[in-house]
Amino acid sequence: NAGVTQTPKFRILKIGQSMTLQCAQDMNHNYMYWYRQDPGMGLKLIYYSVGAGITDKGEVPNGYNVSRSTTEDFPLRLELAAPSQTSVYFCASSYGTDTYGYTFGSGTRLTVV
Amino acid sequence: AQSVTQLDSQVPVFEEAPVELRCNYSSSVSVYLFWYVQYPNQGLQLLLKYLSGSTLVESINGFEAEFNKSQTSFHLRKPSVHISDTAEYFCAVRMDTGRRALTFGSGTRLQVQP
Repeated sequence: NAGVTQTPKFRILKIGQSMTLQCAQDMNHNYMYWYRQDPGMGLKLIYYSVGAGITDKGEVPNGYNVSRSTTEDFPLRLELAAPSQTSVYFCASSYGTDTYGYTFGSGTRLTVV
Repeated sequence: AQSVTQLDSQVPVFEEAPVELRCNYSSSVSVYLFWYVQYPNQGLQLLLKYLSGSTLVESINGFEAEFNKSQTSFHLRKPSVHISDTAEYFCAVRMDTGRRALTFGSGTRLQVQP
């Protein structure tokens, strides 16, 4: 019972580089989410998906892209990394609507230098 | 737009003392309310939730929260804290309409001292 798996756990990027943060869940959850956590700011929603093939923007989508080709996977793409994207990124999933509560991954700590 | 305010960024308390972590939200429609806990270097875990019915909800480890519609609050309480309760606590809200995702508060760091 892996739950929500995020890779990598840590990454240092140079300004302008690109990378994909991976997120996979094995609970057959339809809903998946990407949040970023900055100190003292709580969690901000980047993108979310209510099912395979369906994605929507959250509060802070600029600089990011997502895709949802399968129920299990929800990768987050950074195309041109900027220092403002230094953060801890959390992926989460939920069954049905989010009123069931989220299952979170352990996070990816990203530093852009 | 909905928002969540956690008034206290840090709450220091001695072991076995009571604690209250405050959460207020703004919304003109029905809401679902949640408290999540984050231990160091981990993801968030659901602590308790209010969806409907009784306004007082409890968790398995002694925390409780009360939904107060008139004051738009969902404060978290525990009558006697333990060292192991040291963590960051996040209040979250989702409106009954609109975006199907949670909006989180900025978090409260609970520091339990011996």
